[in-house]
Amino acid sequence: GQNIDQPTEMTATEGAIVQINCTYQTSGFNGLFWYQQHAGEAPTFLSYNVLDGLEEKGRFSSFLSRSKGYSYLLLKELQMKDSASYLCAVMDSNYQLIWGAGTKLIIKP
Amino acid sequence: EPEVTQTPSHQVTQMGQEVILRCVPISNHLYFYWYRQILGQKVEFLVSFYNNEISEKSEIFDDQFSVERPDGSNFTLKIRSTKLEDSAMYFCASKEGTSATDTQYFGPGTRLTVL
Repeated sequence: GQNIDQPTEMTATEGAIVQINCTYQTSGFNGLFWYQQHAGEAPTFLSYNVLDGLEEKGRFSSFLSRSKGYSYLLLKELQMKDSASYLCAVMDSNYQLIWGAGTKLIIKP
Repeated sequence: EPEVTQTPSHQVTQMGQEVILRCVPISNHLYFYWYRQILGQKVEFLVSFYNNEISEKSEIFDDQFSVERPDGSNFTLKIRSTKLEDSAMYFCASKEGTSATDTQYFGPGTRLTVL
């Protein structure tokens, strides 16, 4: 079956750095997406990785290792507004997005 | 900045009733999607739509569901006979390019409550 695992919840301090991990087992791989979702709102796109390595976009970076079925999202200089759920999603061989359950990130002052 | 819009934001219905959820994708986008998210659970793919026909659908998207693009701007999801377990947030998304891995942009969602 298809499976995407990420921690349920993480807590970090304002101004710090946090890394949210995601491991996946899917039927085929056509890229991995990270989305941010505030409570009661739609997911918003953060990043896309299809090749191994690190993609940096401002305070957010995303890393992929296809051989390990592993990705992480790195958030730097955390702000209170970063409190949200972070969703890892993999596009499988049928070009369907398979979603993880999300990691709820709590930022404390 | 262009965005996907959805109406209504909230819909309450009785079990067995039909509901139509409406979406206006971003105007130059070619691919359209419906997802649902039951409260506290993961986002689930329902269906994708391209060139006026369904391109992929999940096991969830059974005969009680249908999609339509009735005109050049709207994209609708119809649930024929709602069940209690259909209560969820329903998100519409659209994508511009022909690459299957282009970014999907999500609408704000419709919260459906079936009583």
